[in-house]
Amino acid sequence: GAGVSQSPSNKVTEKGKDVELRCDPISGHTALYWYRQSLGQGLEFLIYFQGNSAPDKSGLPSDRFSAERTGGSVSTLTIQRTQQEDSAVYLCASSPAEGISTDTQYFGPGTRLTVL
Amino acid sequence: AQTVTQSQPEMSVQEAETVTLSCTYDTSESDYYLFWYKQPPSRQMILVIRQEAYKQQNATENRFSVNFQKAAKSFSLKISDSQLGDAAMYFCAYRSINDMRFGAGTRLTVKP
Repeated sequence: GAGVSQSPSNKVTEKGKDVELRCDPISGHTALYWYRQSLGQGLEFLIYFQGNSAPDKSGLPSDRFSAERTGGSVSTLTIQRTQQEDSAVYLCASSPAEGISTDTQYFGPGTRLTVL
Repeated sequence: AQTVTQSQPEMSVQEAETVTLSCTYDTSESDYYLFWYKQPPSRQMILVIRQEAYKQQNATENRFSVNFQKAAKSFSLKISDSQLGDAAMYFCAYRSINDMRFGAGTRLTVKP
């Protein structure tokens, strides 16, 4: 079956430009997560959507970062006025969870963002 | 905030041998879950094994097993009969109702 997909797989942009990264979760999954993985580092939590609840934005590093999830499915992570330190792999994950007891996350392949 | 520590940035193992990857965490919560994820060069994170904190029995998935020591807040991953395809980054993760954290990862090399 179809897994989590992300697009584009690679994105090169110039400093100061805005970028949008897309995540298509597994159909029926209510939870969606965005993470950032810098070179050689672990995963840094960014934002979490659960059903119709207000998203948990506690991990967003600055107000240049925002995310939306339309219709409880597709999500877009937007980075405005990109900086070189934004260069990283951005991973999306979805989960069928209604709560943490079944919160096994399924990850997409990530988008590698390079800011020149 | 909870922290997850993987003290071994790199590990290597001979094919068919056994290797143990370490993970410790810090929490004041009683209800949580622990995970090990594998990330091969393809970048696709794959769940290896999960453990519910309220269960005393260590989780096992084929060649993968954990040693969960709740009092010590330790959650190590043992890979038995290592295979070349096990080579990857391995991340330990903590999940509770309030928090979610990943360790920095351990890069596992499998030598033929």
